[in-house]
Amino acid sequence: NAGVTQTPKFRILKIGQSMTLQCTQDMNHNYMYWYRQDPGMGLKLIYYSVGAGITDKGEVPNGYNVSRSTTEDFPLRLELAAPSQTSVYFCASSTGDQPQHFGDGTRLSIL
Amino acid sequence: GDSVTQMEGPVTLSEEAFLTINCTYTATGYPSLFWYVQYPGEGLQLLLKATKADDKGSNKGFEATYRKETTSFHLEKGSVQVSDSAVYFCALIGNEKLTFGTGTRLTIIP
Repeated sequence: NAGVTQTPKFRILKIGQSMTLQCTQDMNHNYMYWYRQDPGMGLKLIYYSVGAGITDKGEVPNGYNVSRSTTEDFPLRLELAAPSQTSVYFCASSTGDQPQHFGDGTRLSIL
Repeated sequence: GDSVTQMEGPVTLSEEAFLTINCTYTATGYPSLFWYVQYPGEGLQLLLKATKADDKGSNKGFEATYRKETTSFHLEKGSVQVSDSAVYFCALIGNEKLTFGTGTRLTIIP
């Protein structure tokens, strides 16, 4: 069972570059989430989606964009990478009222 | 809004010691409460949960009881092992969004 799969696992970007973090789940979950985890901190919600075609902002959406064209995929895009976006990014999915299943994370460094 | 406050770390214990990690919450209504564990280099994994007052969640020797009167969900284990070294997050679900505490890093020394 694959669960929630994130790619890439690691990435280094230069300031101003753009990239897309991929997330896919095979559990047919309607709800999907993107979090960032800064060193020594908890998780902060960036964006979430309650179903295909529907997305909404979380606590820290600035500098990010998302789309949800299918139930399975929920990519996160950084358009102009900034050092403040250096973090570990986690994607998660759920049925909404059940605990979320997490991917293994993408470690992103902006230099 | 919803919030979770948990015991600041890091916490260092000797193997076979008793563990308590405190967690209190603020939420409207009747949230479900969770403990997640994050091992080094990995994502979060659900450790245990409780969905209503006085429920006790348990898994892998860990326990936590949903105390509505004190708005608490403290994590306990009677005898910790080196393999329990990880970061532990208390969380709640309210309004469909999972709210996390800041995490408590636990290190167990042989």
